[in-house]
Amino acid sequence: EDQVTQSPEALRLQEGESSSLNCSYTVSGLRGLFWYRQDPGKGPEFLFTLYSAGEEKEKERLKATLTKKESFLHITAPKPEDSATYLCAVTGNMLTFGGGTRLMVKP
Amino acid sequence: NAGVTQTPKFRVLKTGQSMTLLCAQDMNHEYMYWYRQDPGMGLRLIHYSVGEGTTAKGEVPDGYNVSRLKKQNFLLGLESAAPSQTSVYFCASSYYLNQPQHFGDGTRLSIL
Repeated sequence: EDQVTQSPEALRLQEGESSSLNCSYTVSGLRGLFWYRQDPGKGPEFLFTLYSAGEEKEKERLKATLTKKESFLHITAPKPEDSATYLCAVTGNMLTFGGGTRLMVKP
Repeated sequence: NAGVTQTPKFRVLKTGQSMTLLCAQDMNHEYMYWYRQDPGMGLRLIHYSVGEGTTAKGEVPDGYNVSRLKKQNFLLGLESAAPSQTSVYFCASSYYLNQPQHFGDGTRLSIL
């Protein structure tokens, strides 16, 4: 059974304080790992896809990396508008989501 | 571009009532999905479809039925609503299984 565990469940940062979110996974035959951002009252919004270990993707203050067992979402110098829940998901036979990390960035 | 549109956005039902949630996508995607999102449980797959006229069970299919009569539409039905089905329901679509899924903004369903 595919499993995805995200940590921490919640993270509070000061504006400009860089940090990382973790996504650990077990999957039979990884077809892709996805990061999504979800704002309150909205559906998840796609951020990145990673397909193989060693791959990295960047978008503004966000950088996603992938190893054979986990992925990290690095947030550099975050701003209050980066506050959201970040979801990780893996595709084996089907897409399996982690529980998410709720990020709060204080000005 | 509308993307994925879900209707209704909110609904309150009484136990035992039935209803249908509608999902429409305008991206010509082959795959469509229905998820439920509950506090502490994350997103869980209810049913999915790999193309027009096809449906398959996901992780939590009991109490739900689906239909995909047209490529752009995916319907989720509750035949006899139960309080345990109180949740936020999301529809999503993608070109293929290993491609990013695009989500609607959800239907918030309360069953009393």
